[in-house]
Amino acid sequence: NAGVMQNPRHLVRRRGQEARLRCSPMKGHSHVYWYRQLPEEGLKFMVYLQKENIIDESGMPKERFSAEFPKEGPSILRIQQVVRGDSAAYFCASSPAGTGGLGGSYEQYFGPGTRLTVT
Amino acid sequence: RKEVEQDPGPFNVPEGATVAFNCTYSNSASQSFFWYRQDCRKEPKLLMSVYSSGNEDGRFTAQLNRASQYISLLIRDSKLSDSATYLCVVKGGYQKVTFGIGTKLQVIP
Repeated sequence: NAGVMQNPRHLVRRRGQEARLRCSPMKGHSHVYWYRQLPEEGLKFMVYLQKENIIDESGMPKERFSAEFPKEGPSILRIQQVVRGDSAAYFCASSPAGTGGLGGSYEQYFGPGTRLTVT
Repeated sequence: RKEVEQDPGPFNVPEGATVAFNCTYSNSASQSFFWYRQDCRKEPKLLMSVYSSGNEDGRFTAQLNRASQYISLLIRDSKLSDSATYLCVVKGGYQKVTFGIGTKLQVIP
């Protein structure tokens, strides 16, 4: 059973460009979470999605950031007009269906992350 | 007060030592608790869930104290390979999951 896959693993963008980060959850998982981790800081929750639905986006910056999890295909985290402060590791996690996310006792399984560098 | 608080450390302990980490949480309605381990520049990996009755997995013991709103992780007979950052994770009400900043452990030969 393949784990959570993220690509690209490393992404370099110039200021003002767009960054697209992809996440394929584990087989059988229908819940996806995105987190951001700045150097020497903890994981910050960004958004929680189920197929075709955003459940909780309370951690998403109001501008330039968006996320989707279409019926077919991976979840996408999109950052428009990137700035240097967007440089970070972006982790995706998935969990099986149930009462949700880290719902019930379902734990999250993390992908290897995408390291975004904005130059 | 932060939702989930951890001492960032670092905790430097000799091989074979016993070390304990605490994590406090502010939401008394929190439902589920976990410890994750994160190695440098890698993804977090689930170490263990934390149950009300406490639970043990080999050298690792996790406990939950709802009255005082903290969870703990005890590592016995520390190995060099235990060196990592240990993340406390708390699930509150509707799907909300909060990670602590992590406690860094360095096991010294």
